[in-house]
Amino acid sequence: ETGVTQSPTHLIKTRGQQVTLRCSSQSGHNTVSWYQQALGQGPQFIFQYYREEENGRGNFPPRFSGLQFPNYSSELNVNALELDDSALYLCASTRTGLTYNEQFFGPGTRLTVL
Amino acid sequence: RKEVEQDPGPFNVPEGATVAFNCTYSNSASQSFFWYRQDCRKEPKLLMSVYSSGNEDGRFTAQLNRASQYISLLIRDSKLSDSATYLCVVAFQGGKLIFGQGTELSVKP
Repeated sequence: ETGVTQSPTHLIKTRGQQVTLRCSSQSGHNTVSWYQQALGQGPQFIFQYYREEENGRGNFPPRFSGLQFPNYSSELNVNALELDDSALYLCASTRTGLTYNEQFFGPGTRLTVL
Repeated sequence: RKEVEQDPGPFNVPEGATVAFNCTYSNSASQSFFWYRQDCRKEPKLLMSVYSSGNEDGRFTAQLNRASQYISLLIRDSKLSDSATYLCVVAFQGGKLIFGQGTELSVKP
């Protein structure tokens, strides 16, 4: 196992609601990235946090936001949920400074928006 | 055009077959290259890094051609346990990963 945990494992919400997903990084890792994986697609980069600051963002609207805490755990918040937000949300942690950027993924949270 | 494009799947092969996956990327600023494996409804896991000199790990061989912006993965002597989706991944400085859409492999007895 990677040592990266996510909660909850599954979640069902309705359109317009808000959701918070949580990620606990592998010990010693100071950087966390979030990805959205729609059915049949590869993961898409949402954003990355390093030392509690956003450190890069993909092509996602501002209603996707995040936080990183001093213990390097992280949250992904999505406001005003839309049907297309239904996906597997993955977080990945790494230790900045690793020469080959290996990221370790958590098991994901499967979000269904009705 | 997608930043990372892979062969459309699925690939259905018998046990013992050799199978090759191809991938192209569009951004020449890409820094590192990987193949990840993803089992059904699970998280992606690093299979191997990819270098210009080519690298081999048992039955798996990966190759990078920076001039052509092309990445390949060769699996020899396929096993049933190789059945999974294989994701071509390009990394940028800072750790942003760009994934291809994945190619599904199904190895049959």
